[in-house]
Amino acid sequence: QKEVEQNSGPLSVPEGAIASLNCTYSDRGSQSFFWYRQYSGKSPELIMFIYSNGDKEDGRFTAQLNKASQYVSLLIRDSQPSDSATYLCAVTHSGGYQKVTFGIGTKLQVIP
Amino acid sequence: DTGVSQNPRHKITKRGQNVTFRCDPISEHNRLYWYRQTLGQGPEFLTYFQNEAQLEKSRLLSDRFSAERPKGSFSTLEIQRTEQGDSAMYLCASSLLGGMNTEAFFGQGTRLTVV
Repeated sequence: QKEVEQNSGPLSVPEGAIASLNCTYSDRGSQSFFWYRQYSGKSPELIMFIYSNGDKEDGRFTAQLNKASQYVSLLIRDSQPSDSATYLCAVTHSGGYQKVTFGIGTKLQVIP
Repeated sequence: DTGVSQNPRHKITKRGQNVTFRCDPISEHNRLYWYRQTLGQGPEFLTYFQNEAQLEKSRLLSDRFSAERPKGSFSTLEIQRTEQGDSAMYLCASSLLGGMNTEAFFGQGTRLTVV
């Protein structure tokens, strides 16, 4: 079982729709959860982080965390073609120095 | 520029040569990570420093790879006797230690091509 699992996609949504990206993790003690956006050939860019169960909203982005289900998601409202990128879910491990582990990433395509 | 800086941005080397990459983290960040990313994959953890101490090195990392952070500021990653399988993007990230502010910020990466 991979530590952080994501569907590689591509996930295609029409412009203006809501894009829903999902991630599950195996370490039940994980404490911090991050979403990074990565454009082709570029390095990952942090867009959201969440530490507590529930929802966290930032502009068009909402991160959702359910620790009981070991599930974290990212919703992108009013999707724009510029949102087309790979979205990486990252999780810090419990204990120690909290190593950050990444999923494979989900490729999002927003169709104009 | 107060972000994470990596040099060089691109490196092409012949198989068997040694290469060294440099990472300058955000100045107040005491955690520094090296990751490797190949096409279609997420970043793969290589090693981690807390200040100058190297606290973990991936079991997947061969003895040809070595990293240092001598004064707890910049870090170097050296690959000896490069192989074609080493071709990848090498990413450096830094973060603060402690509390909940553990989000890591990435540099622009060094793309290595071994020919």
